Amino acid sequence: GQQLNQSPQSMFIQEGEDVSMNCTSSSIFNTWLWYKQDPGEGPVLLIALYKAGELTSNGRLTAQFGITRKDSFLNISASIPSDVGIYFCAGQTQSNQGGKLIFGQGTELSVKP
Amino acid sequence: DAGVIQSPRHEVTEMGQEVTLRCKPISGHNSLFWYRQTMMRGLELLIYFNNNVPIDDSGMPEDRFSAKMPNASFSTLKIQPSEPRDSAVYFCASSLVTGWGKNIQYFGAGTRLSVL
Repeated sequence: GQQLNQSPQSMFIQEGEDVSMNCTSSSIFNTWLWYKQDPGEGPVLLIALYKAGELTSNGRLTAQFGITRKDSFLNISASIPSDVGIYFCAGQTQSNQGGKLIFGQGTELSVKP
Repeated sequence: DAGVIQSPRHEVTEMGQEVTLRCKPISGHNSLFWYRQTMMRGLELLIYFNNNVPIDDSGMPEDRFSAKMPNASFSTLKIQPSEPRDSAVYFCASSLVTGWGKNIQYFGAGTRLSVL
């Protein structure tokens, strides 16, 4: 079946450092989404991307929809302790008209004050 | 809007008992998704509905699991009989699916299930 490879699986960084994570797929996607999950909560949408090459920011977060439509990355600048959590990429292929998303395995981010 | 509402937030039960998880999607959304999250397997899609009709239940682990959506504002996921390996966090998500492809899923806070 369709899969998303998300890396890295986990990151341990110092407060103030920048973070980068990415997702790749063997299939072409027409939508890329990035979610964050805080402990004990459900995933919350951070950024949505709909066009190849699109670069979108949300505060200290920046995400890009890859030109090949098979990858996406998320950058977090100047990390702070509340950035701790699990980040998921998710994508939708052209055939998933029912709204089904394919999720990556998640990147667990730890930030040391 | 209150968002996607799931109940209960926590459920502890004994093996063999029936468990029912509930979900109220965001008003106006036409699609509903049930997921299971574990450390080993990550976030797995169990089943999803469009306009209250089940579209894909290939992720449902086995016949012990069933899901219903009797109307646009309510869905249940039932496990009968429950087993310890069903212990996980179960999420419900809803979305307004359109032909333009901008289908964002909004998640509830989840139900943490422990089967002893």
